[in-house]
Amino acid sequence: DAGVTQSPTHLIKTRGQQVTLRCSPKSGHDTVSWYQQALGQGPQFIFQYYEEEERQRGNFPDRFSGHQFPNYSSELNVNALLLGDSALYLCASNRGNTIYFGEGSWLTVV
Amino acid sequence: GIQVEQSPPDLILQEGANSTLRCNFSDSVNNLQWFHQNPWGQLINLFYIPSGTKQNGRLSATTVATERYSLLYISSSQTTDSGVYFCAGGSNDYKLSFGAGTTVTVRA
Repeated sequence: DAGVTQSPTHLIKTRGQQVTLRCSPKSGHDTVSWYQQALGQGPQFIFQYYEEEERQRGNFPDRFSGHQFPNYSSELNVNALLLGDSALYLCASNRGNTIYFGEGSWLTVV
Repeated sequence: GIQVEQSPPDLILQEGANSTLRCNFSDSVNNLQWFHQNPWGQLINLFYIPSGTKQNGRLSATTVATERYSLLYISSSQTTDSGVYFCAGGSNDYKLSFGAGTTVTVRA
């Protein structure tokens, strides 16, 4: 049983560019959440998707957007990248109470 | 939003020692989880524990919901226990607020 899988694992982008990160939830999970973790800090909630709809959003600008597909996989898009967007981006899935995280995508903006 | 305070921020242990990590919440939560982040960044779920006590091997956790805190106990620590421990809580299933973490270093 595959856990939560994310791609790519590492990427480098230039300021102003756009990036798309992808996530496949754990088998049987229908809810996907995205978190941003800056170096030395705890993860910060970006948003959550359920039944292809954004269910709740954290305190992130509109440059951060997402999508959930009918197979429950999800994408996180970030436009007009800033240096401060450099972070580990974590995808989590759940069906019920216990939440499972992927290994994350390390984004560096130069 | 819910504020989460973890203590201590850093903990250095000798292999075999026991330790207690604490997590305080600014408001009531009905979804409380403990995670261990390995050096490669992956968060591993340790406990879902909105109240009561649970044990899993050398780890156990206790949450006193009425006083808005949770404790994680590590017994007979091993070098593989090193990493960052996070607690996270929320008032519903939608959004977890994380603490800043406790960095645990276990020395052989």
